[in-house]
Amino acid sequence: GEDVEQSLFLSVREGDSSVINCTYTDSSSTYLYWYKQEPGAGLQLLTYIFSNMDMKQDQRLTVLLNKKDKHLSLRIADTQTGDSAIYFCAENYGQNFVFGPGTRLSVLP
Amino acid sequence: DTEVTQTPKHLVMGMTNKKSLKCEQHMGHRAMYWYKQKAKKPPELMFVYSYEKLSINESVPSRFSPECPNSSLLNLHLHALQPEDSALYLCASSRGPGGSETQYFGPGTRLLVL
Repeated sequence: GEDVEQSLFLSVREGDSSVINCTYTDSSSTYLYWYKQEPGAGLQLLTYIFSNMDMKQDQRLTVLLNKKDKHLSLRIADTQTGDSAIYFCAENYGQNFVFGPGTRLSVLP
Repeated sequence: DTEVTQTPKHLVMGMTNKKSLKCEQHMGHRAMYWYKQKAKKPPELMFVYSYEKLSINESVPSRFSPECPNSSLLNLHLHALQPEDSALYLCASSRGPGGSETQYFGPGTRLLVL
């Protein structure tokens, strides 16, 4: 079966870097995703990485993929208070997306 | 334009009511999805429509009835719901039904069943 795991909480100080980690199980996943969800809102696609890539950078966001260990990470540089949210990693599994439990990022002033 | 819209934003209904949730996208996407999200949990897939046909029903109770009138619209008809059905209902769409296709989510409808 498919299972995606994340640590549930992360606190960082404003201006520091945040690193959110995720492990997944389906080695046949073609894409892996990071979504952001602010309180009371829907999911916002932040970025995704193709499974044959090791790294993808998009402005303040850096995604690292270790396919051998099935480990995905999202680094947010210069974290701001507006980055406070829940971050879900997800892998595609057939027609389904399997989401991790979400990591709640708190940014302290 | 990568926007998926959902109405209403909030809905309160009694257990004997009938209501509908609506979802719309104009990206030409041919796959649309309904998810249910309880507080502090990830979204859980309910239904998948592919080319306007129901392709996945994740053993959802019959009090939830999806409908896809055309390629841009997706409805979720609600009847005789239970208080435990209170949740955020998210609609998503993707270019095609394949698992590698990126899903774009709407803002959700927050449903409260009394």
